Amino acid sequence: AQKVTQAQTEISVVEKEDVTLDCVYETRDTTYYLFWYKQPPSGELVFLIRRNSFDEQNEISGRYSWNFQKSTSSFNFTITASQVVDSAVYFCALRAVWGGTSYGKLTFGQGTILTVHP
Amino acid sequence: DVKVTQSSRYLVKRTGEKVFLECVQDMDHENMFWYRQDPGLGLRLIYFSYDVKMKEKGDIPEGYSVSREKKERFSLILESASTNQTSMYLCASSWRGRGSNQPQHFGDGTRLSIL
Repeated sequence: AQKVTQAQTEISVVEKEDVTLDCVYETRDTTYYLFWYKQPPSGELVFLIRRNSFDEQNEISGRYSWNFQKSTSSFNFTITASQVVDSAVYFCALRAVWGGTSYGKLTFGQGTILTVHP
Repeated sequence: DVKVTQSSRYLVKRTGEKVFLECVQDMDHENMFWYRQDPGLGLRLIYFSYDVKMKEKGDIPEGYSVSREKKERFSLILESASTNQTSMYLCASSWRGRGSNQPQHFGDGTRLSIL
């Protein structure tokens, strides 16, 4: 079985602060993909990034960066110099490629509500 | 851009009614999915489909069924709505492949209330 845990239910920061959203996952599969999605108040989930299990390079995209550590089964997301427009619910998700009942399905974490105050 | 359209943003129905939630995508995606979203539980997969007329149960299929008669349309059916089915329902689509690494694209969601 797969599991994704986002331990932070809610985070509140002031604009320009850096913030890190934690994601820890469990899977018995050796090949898998990890995703981050953003859900603004409008409701639509917006895809942010995909990372596969055999590529542990960290990635930076503007103010966003992702730290993938296979040894600790973590895929954390950092927003640098946060802005009010970053306020949203953020979801981490896992998709295994092979095996078992998790074959091909996307498993989501509980989500982290981020509020950025002006 | 991929467009996934859900027929209603808000819906109010009564207990025992048969409810249809419709989802249409315009990118010729083979895969389509229905999730429900509840506070503290994240998104949970109800049903998914890899092809026309093909469906597979997700993690919480009880009380639901689906229909996929055309590639672009995936319907979620609540056979006899109950109050515990009050939730946000999200539809998604993606390219083919059970092991596909392609991201799923989501609609805006339908907030369903069962009274």
